[in-house]
Amino acid sequence: QSALTQPASVSGSPGQSITISCTGTSSDVGGYNYVSWYQQHPGKAPKLMIYDVTNRPSGVSNRFSGSKSGNTASLTISGLQAEDEADYYCISYTSSTTWVFGGGTKLTVL
Amino acid sequence: EVQLLESGGGLVQPGGSLRVSCAVSGFTFTYYAMSWVRQAPGKGLEWVSSIIGNGSSTYYGDSVKGRFTISRDTSKNTLYLQMKSLRAEDTAVYYCAKVLLRGTGLDYWGQGTLVTVSS
Repeated sequence: QSALTQPASVSGSPGQSITISCTGTSSDVGGYNYVSWYQQHPGKAPKLMIYDVTNRPSGVSNRFSGSKSGNTASLTISGLQAEDEADYYCISYTSSTTWVFGGGTKLTVL
Repeated sequence: EVQLLESGGGLVQPGGSLRVSCAVSGFTFTYYAMSWVRQAPGKGLEWVSSIIGNGSSTYYGDSVKGRFTISRDTSKNTLYLQMKSLRAEDTAVYYCAKVLLRGTGLDYWGQGTLVTVSS
């Protein structure tokens, strides 16, 4: 199972919006509404930001939102803040009853 | 308060075995599926294995299938990952994580335990 494709890096200025894409195939992202997004700061455990494509866990800012179109899922962060600078990972369920992560995206807040 | 605490990491030689554990508290262990996720030094996240609440079904990534075994002991509120035939590429921080009750996200994570495979 190949890793999902994410951009290696994205950047934005405080207050702006950015979108991170996560591209798979019809056997994973496109076939199921089971895509999650995780934020990871250096040296820390990952934190769940979005699950099942669009759902936000309790306590996660509503500046974070998720969507999906075809084989590509997306994470959008609006009103960018310095604390959002981190690595972001998507993960999807697959037709092989396994899970596959994306390669990760480093978000830089300028 | 939900807590997950991994232990058992360390240095092991190639071809060797190791068992890492994850002691949980703050929730009813048998209700929730659990997963192991690893991260090699400086690399991204990799899903390793998952087990459903009653332990009757288990799932593995291709890179560990046939070498790793996930299990759980409800009497001890502990999740395990038995690793055999270890390779250098298994070197990573191993995280245990709890699966949402309604949904497929991993909502609570441990702090991770480092497994180093080297001679």
